[in-house]
Amino acid sequence: QKEVEQNSGPLSVPEGAIASLNCTYSDRGSQSFFWYRQYSGKSPELIMSIYSNGDKEDGRFTAQLNKASQYVSLLIRDSQPSDSATYLCAAVEVRNAGGTSYGKLTFGQGTILTVHP
Amino acid sequence: DAGVIQSPRHEVTEMGQEVTLRCKPISGHDYLFWYRQTMMRGLELLIYFNNNVPIDDSGMPEDRFSAKMPNASFSTLKIQPSEPRDSAVYFCASSLLGFGQYFGPGTRLTVT
Repeated sequence: QKEVEQNSGPLSVPEGAIASLNCTYSDRGSQSFFWYRQYSGKSPELIMSIYSNGDKEDGRFTAQLNKASQYVSLLIRDSQPSDSATYLCAAVEVRNAGGTSYGKLTFGQGTILTVHP
Repeated sequence: DAGVIQSPRHEVTEMGQEVTLRCKPISGHDYLFWYRQTMMRGLELLIYFNNNVPIDDSGMPEDRFSAKMPNASFSTLKIQPSEPRDSAVYFCASSLLGFGQYFGPGTRLTVT
């Protein structure tokens, strides 16, 4: 079982609609979660981070975290064609090495989002 | 800030040759990460450093891969000898305190 799972899509929504992207994770010890956007041929770009249960809003983006269900989501309101990209969910898992704790960021496979005019 | 800088942006080499990828992290960041991305396997963490010290290299696929960080502003990822299955986009990323990683533009490696 993959540590961070996403539906690969593609998810297709009309312009102006709400796009909902979902992610589940397996490590209950994960404390921090991130959403990255990656345009074709480009590098991943950090767009949202969330650490506590509930919602976090930033402009048209809302990240939602439910640690009990091990579920993270990203909502994009008023979707635009320029939002068409692959969205990567990532979770920080705490690992131990040599007596030191550190966080390892694990990415899901990504969901391809297409917003059509 | 110039962001994370990687070189070269594209590399085409023949099987068996040595390949060296370079990365300059964002100034002041204390973590540096090397990733590989392919269509089949997605984004994979190869190795990461904290304050120039390798912390976790469990993602390095084979002994043919090695990475160094001689100082806070420079890191290399070396593949020797290279094989066609190493063809991928290699990303370097850096962060402060290990979170919120910022990625470089990547190096597209093709091994023929």
